[in-house]
Amino acid sequence: AQKVTQAQTEISVVEKEDVTLDCVYETRDTTYYLFWYKQPPSGELVFLIRRNSFDEQNEISGRYSWNFQKSTSSFNFTITASQVVDSAVYFCALRGAGSYQLTFGKGTKLSVIP
Amino acid sequence: DTGVSQDPRHKITKRGQNVTFRCDPISEHNRLYWYRQTLGQGPEFLTYFQNEAQLEKSRLLSDRFSAERPKGSFSTLEIQRTEQGDSAMYLCASSLLPGVGNTEAFFGQGTRLTVV
Repeated sequence: AQKVTQAQTEISVVEKEDVTLDCVYETRDTTYYLFWYKQPPSGELVFLIRRNSFDEQNEISGRYSWNFQKSTSSFNFTITASQVVDSAVYFCALRGAGSYQLTFGKGTKLSVIP
Repeated sequence: DTGVSQDPRHKITKRGQNVTFRCDPISEHNRLYWYRQTLGQGPEFLTYFQNEAQLEKSRLLSDRFSAERPKGSFSTLEIQRTEQGDSAMYLCASSLLPGVGNTEAFFGQGTRLTVV
């Protein structure tokens, strides 16, 4: 069975602060993929990043960075210098290599206050 | 191509009525998925198609739910005899086949169903 836990239900930060969203996962698969999606109030899930289990390099994309640690089964997401437009619900998700379906966490609602 | 599109965006229906939603995937994507998202929860898998074949259905998909993907292009999700518990956001996604390229799923904006 696969499971994704996002322990932070809601986070509020003041604009320009850095914020880290936590994601812990469980899987028996040796090869798997981890994802982050952003869901703004409009409802669409916007793909942010995919990370393969065999690639533990951290990634930075502009103000976004991801820290994948296989030893602790975590895939955390940091937004640097947050902006109001970052306000959304963020979902972490997991898919086994032989699977077709995503297992999502419950999401973290991020509010960036001007 | 502008991504996955879903229609309608919102649907309000009376309990007991039938509803049908449509999803148009990204044109070159072979796989199409339906997910359901209730308030405060992450999306949950309902079913998926590879081309026109429906290959898997979740236990969440009761007999009142049926999905089709004729000709492997757009898909429809029908709910018969709707119940208040069916109220949710229904999300469609599409992706390439494994081995073809990146296999992340791209989602549409969803259809929000309210059963009154």
